[in-house]
Amino acid sequence: GAGVSQSPRYKVAKRGQDVALRCDPISGHVSLFWYQQALGQGPEFLTYFQNEAQLDKSGLPSDRFSAERTGGSVSTLTIQRTQQEDSAVYLCASSPGRFQETQYFGPGTRLLVL
Amino acid sequence: GQQLNQSPQSMFIQEGEDVSMNCTSSSIFNTWLWYKQEPGEGPVLLIALYKAGELTSNGRLTAQFGITRKDSFLNISASIPSDVGIYFCAGPDIKYNFNKFYFGSGTKLNVKP
Repeated sequence: GAGVSQSPRYKVAKRGQDVALRCDPISGHVSLFWYQQALGQGPEFLTYFQNEAQLDKSGLPSDRFSAERTGGSVSTLTIQRTQQEDSAVYLCASSPGRFQETQYFGPGTRLLVL
Repeated sequence: GQQLNQSPQSMFIQEGEDVSMNCTSSSIFNTWLWYKQEPGEGPVLLIALYKAGELTSNGRLTAQFGITRKDSFLNISASIPSDVGIYFCAGPDIKYNFNKFYFGSGTKLNVKP
């Protein structure tokens, strides 16, 4: 079956531009996570959704970052007024249940802010 | 947040050699997870550990949950070129069950044929 997909795979943005990153989780998965992975580092938690509800957004670095999940399926991470320090790989993961350690990751979106 | 420290940061080994890497935490974890990430891909779960002292194997991989619950080890036996990648340890914040995970900074493994 299809895994987690993310689009675009690569995005180059000029500083100050807004960007929207999309995640299509595995069909039927309840939980959805967003992570930010800087070069040479492990993923860092950004936010968590259970179905449509955003239950934890404590990892979002600033109010320029926001996320939504429509219909309990597709999710969009939006970064407004991008800064150079936002350059990173943004990973999306989904899992079948509410309390489930098996997260299935997408390939990520590599964002470069110039 | 939680700090997960992995060592070594990188390893260069010959095919056929055994590999050992570890992960330590500043806090107690109830679950330890080991992931592998290959270039251009997301992490893939290799092994999950749920109990202090637990030793779990998955093929050539063996992982252990430390008795103190603040550390974990991953061993790979008889390495092969496809073992190349970055290995991450991870654990969930116990206040959030499995809804918030912390990752280490990774051990990069290079295998020479």
